[in-house]
Order: sequence, then structure tokens, then C-alpha cells
Amino acid sequence: ETGVTQSPTHLIKTRGQQVTLRCSSQSGHNTVSWYQQALGQGPQFIFQYYREEENGRGNFPPRFSGLQFPNYSSELNVNALELDDSALYLCASGSFKQGETQYFGPGTRLLVL
Amino acid sequence: SQQGEEDPQALSIQEGENATMNCSYKTSINNLQWYRQNSGRGLVHLILIRSNEREKHSGRLRVTLDTSKKSSSLLITASRAADTASYFCATDADQAGTALIFGKGTTLSVSS
Repeated sequence: ETGVTQSPTHLIKTRGQQVTLRCSSQSGHNTVSWYQQALGQGPQFIFQYYREEENGRGNFPPRFSGLQFPNYSSELNVNALELDDSALYLCASGSFKQGETQYFGPGTRLLVL
Repeated sequence: SQQGEEDPQALSIQEGENATMNCSYKTSINNLQWYRQNSGRGLVHLILIRSNEREKHSGRLRVTLDTSKKSSSLLITASRAADTASYFCATDADQAGTALIFGKGTTLSVSS
């Protein structure tokens, strides 16, 4: 157990809808990162939050946005869902230091119909 | 974009045998990590090796790093059925702070 929790575990949405995924970080960690993992692929970095601000972003459009709260919990919001957004979304917490270990939650599996 | 690429893509062995997975990456790194993922669930951190280290051990795991070849290997000795999972290498990416860049993974199947 990593101490990182995510909700919900599964979600089904239709194209064009909006979705919010939630993550509760491990105690003592000050960064939260989100990753998207398509079937058969490795996780792809979406963005990271540190001190409630975005601290780096991968190659994802602006309709992917996030929030980090003072208690280090976090949300991932995706607007105007597309079929290709169907994936496992992973949240990871860690400390703000280059390339250090990140601790992953169990993920939320999103299906867009 | 993918930084690390694991090889082979899939590996099937018998319990008790050793499993070796390789990872190649493209740019300079501060460290390289290996993660395990069971059945599309969350990733479990296995081991981190820093760029100035050549070899590291953790239980039945042995990781090597060759920065001149930009490659790493993960050896699992005396494999068990419970080792059946996907294994990913991940490297840091300077431009994204503490982001990890993952390869596509090696799927290991250990049969009893």
C-alpha cells in the first residue's frame, strides 16, 4: 500500500461530457502528478502540481486541468471528453526533487463512449 | 513521448527461472527507476538507481545501469508466479521537473 488513494475506481462517460477524478496523496508528500495510461502503453505524464500550482506539463491539451488543495489532495478535470481519453488515470505523490520516487495510487479507469 | 523502451515486450518463463528485462533511453538522466504493475492497476515502485551507480540489489532484484550505452537491466532471480506483471522503466525528464517518462513495459508471465 502506497497511501495514495483515488476515486472513483471506474467511470463511464459519453463524448463531450466533463469528468473530475480525485486523488489523496501520501502524508508528507508535497507534489501530485497525474498520468494517463492507454491500454498496452506506459503511463504518459499529464502534469504535476507543487504548492498548489502547476509545475510542469506534458503534451496534453488545455482541456486537461487540475487542482491541488492545501491538504495535498488533487483533482484532474477533463472537459469535452473524446473517445481517445479512455484510459487508466494514475495519480502519484512525491517530494519536490528531480526524479525522485513517486508513489502511485490504484488508478481510475475511464471509459468514454 | 517515450523515453525508455523495454525489451522484450513479453517474456514467459517457469517458476524458479531468472527473468531479465532491458531498458534503453535517449537522453541523459539523473536516475532510473523500475516499477511493477499488476493487471492494469497502480504502479509499485521496485528500485531506483542513480546515474553514478552501476548496480543495485533489492531482495531478488538486481538492477544495472550503463550510462554510456543509455541502458539498464532488471534481473528477477528465482521467479515466482506472483511476479507475473508488467514491468516499466522510468527516467526523469529535466524540462518537466519531477515528471517520470515511462517505456511501454515488459509483460512477464511466470507459470508454475
